[in-house]
Amino acid sequence: GIQVEQSPPDLILQEGANSTLRCNFSDSVNNLQWFHQNPWGQLINLFYIPSGTKQNGRLSATTVATERYSLLYISSSQTTDSGVYFCAVEPGGKLIFGQGTELSVKP
Amino acid sequence: GAVVSQHPSRVICKSGTSVKIECRSLDFQATTMFWYRQFPKQSLMLMATSNEGSKATYEQGVEKDKFLINHASLTLSTLTVTSAHPEDSSFYICSARGIGQEASTDTQYFGPGTRLTVL
Repeated sequence: GIQVEQSPPDLILQEGANSTLRCNFSDSVNNLQWFHQNPWGQLINLFYIPSGTKQNGRLSATTVATERYSLLYISSSQTTDSGVYFCAVEPGGKLIFGQGTELSVKP
Repeated sequence: GAVVSQHPSRVICKSGTSVKIECRSLDFQATTMFWYRQFPKQSLMLMATSNEGSKATYEQGVEKDKFLINHASLTLSTLTVTSAHPEDSSFYICSARGIGQEASTDTQYFGPGTRLTVL
């Protein structure tokens, strides 16, 4: 089956710093989503981005489908950005999640 | 928009009992619902997919007689963990995909999760 790899697995930032999270996937997909899981477990949809670039405030994402990777950019990080960031791909009707990047933003 | 709720948020039960978890789409019609489980420090693993009015499709390795899923309406799916044991302790999360002003059919919307502890 399709493999989804995220890097780095862990990241510690000082408040105000920028970061880039990466998601590689092993096969063509119809759908790619980025999620933020907050410390209470809630998954929040960040982006639906099977290709191209999108921006939402301090967050932006780029997917290069032909090269099978996606990047999530976080600028001017805040402590509320802490949590786990997952990418998930959908090769056919169901989401396959990566292992996540655990982000900790220190004040 | 596109809100999914789960109830209860946390449950503790004795070994051998059954536990029911409800998942509701509040402002859209959920044509498909998904159930995941997540162990500490791990990713989400899909357990089953259900379409309204149909039997659920279970992923390989998931016991359908242990994890009973019912998707009786376009806004409600339930997961019943039968004869729960300590190894069933986990974080169970549902998601929904559907139609409505607040929802996109391309996206899964996730509930807040239910933390099950079996003693």
